[in-house]
Amino acid sequence: EPEVTQTPSHQVTQMGQEVILRCVPISNHLYFYWYRQILGQKVEFLVSFYNNEISEKSEIFDDQFSVERPDGSNFTLKIRSTKLEDSAMYFCASSSMGYGYTFGSGTRLTVV
Amino acid sequence: AQTVTQSQPEMSVQEAETVTLSCTYDTSENNYYLFWYKQPPSRQMILVIRQEAYKQQNATENRFSVNFQKAAKSFSLKISDSQLGDTAMYFCAFMNPHNNNDMRFGAGTRLTVKP
Repeated sequence: EPEVTQTPSHQVTQMGQEVILRCVPISNHLYFYWYRQILGQKVEFLVSFYNNEISEKSEIFDDQFSVERPDGSNFTLKIRSTKLEDSAMYFCASSSMGYGYTFGSGTRLTVV
Repeated sequence: AQTVTQSQPEMSVQEAETVTLSCTYDTSENNYYLFWYKQPPSRQMILVIRQEAYKQQNATENRFSVNFQKAAKSFSLKISDSQLGDTAMYFCAFMNPHNNNDMRFGAGTRLTVKP
């Protein structure tokens, strides 16, 4: 069964550093997403991406965040200058119309 | 904006018993999709079941079934013959296909299956 692949599974970074979280969505999916989940809390929407551009973003997705699909297969989330409160599980997902999301296994980001 | 409400932060059930998790949502859309996702301790998000709003028949996947009440905007999940491996967080989710397939989640219900 097709999978969404996320790397790395765990990233530790110092406050103020840039991080790039990587995702390989399912190849024939058209919609791509990033969500985050602070430990023990709800799954929060960050951004959706369709047709090579951001289609919607939440209030969380401020100027410190950016997404790219540089080569037609990878879908990356960049956090420019990490803060302690960015520590969370970050999930990438992809979907085709109406079929629900397939989630990656997540990247646990720890900012120290 | 669509909102999804799960009013039960935690629930427990005895192994082999049946449990129902509640979910309500708010939308002005007529066509949409609803989902239940399971998040075990591994924190992987696993799709449990999917319901299309234009279908009246309740979705069923083995021991998992839903009670979809469109007029009431209610979408509960019933787990029959609960197993220890069902212990997880369960998230109800709403997807709007008219808004880039964007999905919104409820706050989750932590289900514990007791032996």
